[in-house]
Amino acid sequence: GENVEQHPSTLSVQEGDSAVIKCTYSDSASNYFPWYKQELGKGPQLIIDIRSNVGEKKDQRIAVTLNKTAKHFSLHITETQPEDSAVYFCAASRSNFGNEKLTFGTGTRLTIIP
Amino acid sequence: GAVVSQHPSWVICKSGTSVKIECRSLDFQATTMFWYRQFPKQSLMLMATSNEGSKATYEQGVEKDKFLINHASLTLSTLTVTSAHPEDSSFYICSASPGANQPQHFGDGTRLSIL
Repeated sequence: GENVEQHPSTLSVQEGDSAVIKCTYSDSASNYFPWYKQELGKGPQLIIDIRSNVGEKKDQRIAVTLNKTAKHFSLHITETQPEDSAVYFCAASRSNFGNEKLTFGTGTRLTIIP
Repeated sequence: GAVVSQHPSWVICKSGTSVKIECRSLDFQATTMFWYRQFPKQSLMLMATSNEGSKATYEQGVEKDKFLINHASLTLSTLTVTSAHPEDSSFYICSASPGANQPQHFGDGTRLSIL
């Protein structure tokens, strides 16, 4: 089955600086790669996603890049703010839209230092 | 739109009792819902896929007789933890997709504590 690895497990960034989280996956049939933000005591919230026919996607301060040949994808957050502090999870799915089984990475606890 | 609601948000019960958790899609219909379990400071692990009108599909290592899933309508799936024990204490999260070309939306989870 699919295996998703995520690094780093913890990341501290000065407010205003950029944060990068990286994931690798094993199943070459995976086509959909979402990123979720999880705050304490809450469920995951989708913040951005990318499909295998796209190499990069950006939404304001958040961007995701995908290298399907190398089977890795990354989340980039620019101009970080204190409210960006949370746990971030990457995931992978064989479906094109993630409406099927998702395999999650191990998570990254991001702390923004004011 | 695409709101998924779970109830209760937190439950504490004695060892040996059964606990039911509800997952509702509030503004859309979902033929498929997913149940995940998350232990403290760990990732989400898929337990089972709940299919409306048919049996759930369980992931390897998940006991179907212990974690009973019922998906009786297009907006409601329930997870019942039978004869719960302290090791079943965890954060249970459900998700659902509004359609075949739309991503999953997650509920806010149910924290289950077994004494």
